[in-house]
Amino acid sequence: AQSVTQLDSHVSVSEGTPVLLRCNYSSSYSPSLFWYVQHPNKGLQLLLKYTSAATLVKGINGFEAEFKKSETSFHLTKPSAHMSDAAEYFCVVSDDWKVDNDMRFGAGTRLTVKP
Amino acid sequence: NAGVMQNPRHLVRRRGQEARLRCSPMKGHSHVYWYRQLPEEGLKFMVYLQKENIIDESGMPKERFSAEFPKEGPSILRIQQVVRGDSAAYFCASSYSGTDTGNTIYFGEGSWLTVV
Repeated sequence: AQSVTQLDSHVSVSEGTPVLLRCNYSSSYSPSLFWYVQHPNKGLQLLLKYTSAATLVKGINGFEAEFKKSETSFHLTKPSAHMSDAAEYFCVVSDDWKVDNDMRFGAGTRLTVKP
Repeated sequence: NAGVMQNPRHLVRRRGQEARLRCSPMKGHSHVYWYRQLPEEGLKFMVYLQKENIIDESGMPKERFSAEFPKEGPSILRIQQVVRGDSAAYFCASSYSGTDTGNTIYFGEGSWLTVV
């Protein structure tokens, strides 16, 4: 069975500095990996996804993530944080072969951006 | 193409009442998922449905909770005899079965249930 661990429950950065949100996963098969963002009282928005194509995935709002199989990691990065990036971020893994689309969510990382 | 539509966005119920949350998937999507987000916790899978069938309900509490996705109309998550611990945000998501790869699912904006 697949699982995902987000290594930091809270990350705080200053506006204009880089963002790194860490995610490690375990999967018995070739996984699909996703990052979702949730702003307060809002639904989840897909930032980016990895589905066994290019290992460096570019998403919306300047975010990107790199799939590293040897490290079982899928960390989310952004070169320069913006105040509007303050939100909760979820890393998600799904075993590609499973027809029931079973997705496992990490516990979330709350990103705070200081002016 | 409208996204996943959930209603109501906010629902207040007294203990012992019933709560019904509705979810209309994206056009063309036949897979629906329900997740619950408790305060200060992450998202927890509850149930996965295809049209008229429950595929996986391993995350559903054994009592008081039920879900359906009829041939016509939205998916319904029903909570009977609500208790304060049911207060949470309930998210519905949908996906397209067939040629869509990567198991991408799209979320609604959520329904916030408050039990008083």
